[in-house]
Amino acid sequence: DQQVKQNSPSLSVQEGRISILNCDYTNSMFDYFLWYKKYPAEGPTFLISISSIKDKNEDGRFTVFLNKSAKHLSLHIVPSQPGDSAVYFCAASGLSGGSNYKLTFGKGTLLTVNP
Amino acid sequence: ETGVTQSPTHLIKTRGQQVTLRCSSQSGHNTVSWYQQALGQGPQFIFQYYREEENGRGNFPPRFSGLQFPNYSSELNVNALELDDSALYLCASSFDPPVSTDTQYFGPGTRLTVL
Repeated sequence: DQQVKQNSPSLSVQEGRISILNCDYTNSMFDYFLWYKKYPAEGPTFLISISSIKDKNEDGRFTVFLNKSAKHLSLHIVPSQPGDSAVYFCAASGLSGGSNYKLTFGKGTLLTVNP
Repeated sequence: ETGVTQSPTHLIKTRGQQVTLRCSSQSGHNTVSWYQQALGQGPQFIFQYYREEENGRGNFPPRFSGLQFPNYSSELNVNALELDDSALYLCASSFDPPVSTDTQYFGPGTRLTVL
């Protein structure tokens, strides 16, 4: 049973345009959400996070939006650059299982930014 | 400041064997988490160690065990290897079990193949 779902395995956008990556979750105990980026042969790299008490967090070209009622979050990248091409993982943490440190990941979305 | 390192990079074992994977935390970090990433999936939480004690465990059988040493480096041991254990094993280090988890830094992973 997948608690964090990324329903788009891949996304292709043109350089300079907006990339929107989506993520849905089912566990109401999740209270912190993160996006990680992963290049081949490297470990995931933290990108941006958001607490459940907020609905938006921005860091440069990256903005994460959280809609708690819909249990949905999205990552916006504006403008997209070829170097952004990578697999993006949505992850969540909360007090489920007695630990608030375990990250539950989605399957990832492969973003390709075309020059 | 050195990042998270893992060894070996790649490993091939046969079914029924035992394997030990190693992780060196980022300087100053006292918490290590281990994740298994099967092909086409997101990372799955195995367990976390904080100051040499297990601090949370995911849905993995007891043949997956770990250790954390006084210098905060860590080992993941898997006994009686099965074909399904073939995966990328990631460790992530952080400073104290954080309320926010955006400070988990991942290593590049160890690719384990079980034949």
